[in-house]
Amino acid sequence: LAKTTQPISMDSYEGQEVNITCSHNNIATNDYITWYQQFPSQGPRFIIQGYKTKVTNEVASLFIPADRKSSTLSLPRVSLSDTAVYYCLVGEGFTGGGNKLTFGTGTQLKVEL
Amino acid sequence: EPEVTQTPSHQVTQMGQEVILRCVPISNHLYFYWYRQILGQKVEFLVSFYNNEISEKSEIFDDQFSVERPDGSNFTLKIRSTKLEDSAMYFCASNRGGEQYFGPGTRLTVT
Repeated sequence: LAKTTQPISMDSYEGQEVNITCSHNNIATNDYITWYQQFPSQGPRFIIQGYKTKVTNEVASLFIPADRKSSTLSLPRVSLSDTAVYYCLVGEGFTGGGNKLTFGTGTQLKVEL
Repeated sequence: EPEVTQTPSHQVTQMGQEVILRCVPISNHLYFYWYRQILGQKVEFLVSFYNNEISEKSEIFDDQFSVERPDGSNFTLKIRSTKLEDSAMYFCASNRGGEQYFGPGTRLTVT
């Protein structure tokens, strides 16, 4: 299982773009990179998943360089409600069901006015 | 939007008592999971369930834990004899091959 490393915490202000980088040096060829968000006292929520290059959805973008040893989650124009813990997970993607998720300690993002 | 629901939201029990945590996964999902999160710690995988049987379980999921899908909608986690260290948030999740959808959790407090 590929180990992931991400900053413990980040601070930002409303309206700024936030980039959270995750290192996964021993990512396997068939591994995907998935990001989840967790608000206090709630279950994690899927944000985005990618394999290579760039993926964008209505919430975030995910940038993955060619060597895939790191990835960056980009949150455009954050608001106070984006204050949460963000988890980078590396493992089998959505190719099949039943795959457990292995969470690290995540990055606590705090957004202020 | 369909969602995973869990009951109760908070359960307080005495050490040694049995508890059953209940979950209603999203209706057309096929895979079901339980995770737990001790206060201030990581979310930890406990067990996955598919086709009416356990497909994978972690070291945490010992003989005091069991899961069941008693009917077409509920998915339960039973802890037979609770210990103080079982105090945690327990999250149920489900999917049908895509992203996992998590419920809001049950906070279990063992005194």
